[in-house]
Amino acid sequence: QKEVEQDPGPLSVPEGAIVSLNCTYSNSAFQYFMWYRQYSRKGPELLMYTYSSGNKEDGRFTAQVDKSSKYISLFIRDSQPSDSATYLCAMSARNYGGATNKLIFGTGTLLAVQP
Amino acid sequence: NAGVTQTPKFRILKIGQSMTLQCAQDMNHNYMYWYRQDPGMGLKLIYYSVGAGITDKGEVPNGYNVSRSTTEDFPLRLELAAPSQTSVYFCASSYPPGGPGELFFGEGSRLTVL
Repeated sequence: QKEVEQDPGPLSVPEGAIVSLNCTYSNSAFQYFMWYRQYSRKGPELLMYTYSSGNKEDGRFTAQVDKSSKYISLFIRDSQPSDSATYLCAMSARNYGGATNKLIFGTGTLLAVQP
Repeated sequence: NAGVTQTPKFRILKIGQSMTLQCAQDMNHNYMYWYRQDPGMGLKLIYYSVGAGITDKGEVPNGYNVSRSTTEDFPLRLELAAPSQTSVYFCASSYPPGGPGELFFGEGSRLTVL
């Protein structure tokens, strides 16, 4: 079993839809949870960062962590064609600065928002 | 402020050839990393460095070597290229320990080994 599982998609939605992207994980020691966005032929960029359980909101984006279920989600409200990208979840057991080789990435979900 | 710069962007190698992927960052980050990204496989850590003169293996180091003589540069050397090394390679850097752990990635180097 992989430490982090993520549905690769592709996920196609109409403009304005609410998008839900998810990852599950098996390591109960994970405490730091991140979502990276990767446009085609570009490097990933950090979108959201969450420590432990709970929700975090930033504009149209909401990151949610449920440690009891080992499940994290990224919600995108009022999705736009510019949101079309691959979304990668990433997580670590410690502050990444203290455990640099322990950031585990999901395989990424390809999202296409149709105008 | 250019961030993380990788060269070359594209390269085709023949089996057995060697080459170096260059990576430079201008953010004064101590931590630097090399990842490879294959379809359906996510990002896999090859090597990382916590500062000049210090490097360590990641998850998939075989067939690669690195060096870190300065804070800014972190080149990745491929010796005796094999088709299994066909991939997209990303260099990244991050803040010193104690930060939130955000990685700053370059735009990638696409390598094909034929």
